[in-house]
Amino acid sequence: DSGVTQTPKHLITATGQRVTLRCSPRSGDLSVYWYQQSLDQGLQFLIQYYNGEERAKGNILERFSAQQFPDLHSELNLSSLELGDSALYFCASSFRLAGGTDTQYFGPGTRLTVL
Amino acid sequence: GQQLNQSPQSMFIQEGEDVSMNCTSSSIFNTWLWYKQDPGEGPVLLIALYKAGELTSNGRLTAQFGITRKDSFLNISASIPSDVGIYFCAGRDHNQGGKLIFGQGTELSVKP
Repeated sequence: DSGVTQTPKHLITATGQRVTLRCSPRSGDLSVYWYQQSLDQGLQFLIQYYNGEERAKGNILERFSAQQFPDLHSELNLSSLELGDSALYFCASSFRLAGGTDTQYFGPGTRLTVL
Repeated sequence: GQQLNQSPQSMFIQEGEDVSMNCTSSSIFNTWLWYKQDPGEGPVLLIALYKAGELTSNGRLTAQFGITRKDSFLNISASIPSDVGIYFCAGRDHNQGGKLIFGQGTELSVKP
């Protein structure tokens, strides 16, 4: 158990819909990262928040957005869903913003299926 | 999206055999990490490397941070059935914040 929790575990929805994925980081961790894992693209970095502020952006679509709340949990919002958005979405957390010996620990993921 | 070159893509070995996999990058990294992922689970950190040339062990696992900072390898000695899974390398460039760049993964199958 990494200490990172994600809900829900599975999500099945239809095209055009909007969903929210939730992540609680390990106790004491200030950074939260979101990654998408698909068969064709592998594990891809989406976005990073540190202590409530967005700090880095990767291959995140404009239809996707995220935020980190004062209690440090984070939500990833996916809207106008398309079939190609079906994937595993992972949250990871670490103590620091970046660098040094900072290490990311991953949650169990949310499997999103868009029908 | 950006990915590291990880090889081999898959391996089928006999229990007790040693395994080696590696990752290469066209750019320099400050940190190399190796993760293992079981079906339906998130990646679990195996070994973290923070200095060029560093050689680190974790039980039967040994990993090295290449001296050029553009590559890393992972060795598993005396494999056992529970080693089955997908192994990922990941690199981090401190100038790009905390994001990790992942390899495509090596799927390991161990025959008892």
